[in-house]
Amino acid sequence: GDSVTQMEGPVTLSEEAFLTINCTYTATGYPSLFWYVQYPGEGLQLLLKATKADDKGSNKGFEATYRKETTSFHLEKGSVQVSDSAVYFCALRTGGSYIPTFGRGTSLIVHP
Amino acid sequence: GAVVSQHPSWVICKSGTSVKIECRSLDFQATTMFWYRQFPKQSLMLMATSNEGSKATYEQGVEKDKFLINHASLTLSTLTVTSAHPEDSSFYICSARGSGQNITDTQYFGPGTRLTVL
Repeated sequence: GDSVTQMEGPVTLSEEAFLTINCTYTATGYPSLFWYVQYPGEGLQLLLKATKADDKGSNKGFEATYRKETTSFHLEKGSVQVSDSAVYFCALRTGGSYIPTFGRGTSLIVHP
Repeated sequence: GAVVSQHPSWVICKSGTSVKIECRSLDFQATTMFWYRQFPKQSLMLMATSNEGSKATYEQGVEKDKFLINHASLTLSTLTVTSAHPEDSSFYICSARGSGQNITDTQYFGPGTRLTVL
């Protein structure tokens, strides 16, 4: 079945550091890929998405590129801020389904 | 943007008691609501899908008599964990999809409810 694997956290960085959170997937067909973010005490929010190979999703300085050849969708940001501290979930969705398959989540902690 | 709330945000109960968790869509009508469960360091697992006014559809392995779901209105769904046991301790998250939204549109998630059964 479909699955998403993302790096274990927590990832701890200093402010303005470069961020990469790895995500790889296994899916039948051609999935759409997503990154969700969950800030403390809040619900999951869609951060960015990509629906086909080589698409790049971007939002709030974050970006991720749909790499079909490596079945990856790594999340990157050039300069993180303390306010980026949250849990990040990689997810995929296949066909006409509205139910995402989530990774385990990666906690990001950014220190001033 | 669309907001989904959950109440309570955390609850501690004794083994054998029942606990009700509410999920509300605050500024839109949610024709479909979803209930997820998340164990520590695990991904979100879909438990059930409920449509307003009809019975919930449970995922394989989820006991429908233990996890009672009611979606009585377009803004409220409830999850009742009946006769809770320590193994039911988990983080429960709901999400909602509004009427008129494309079936592949993203869902709006609540902040989750931490249940601890002693």
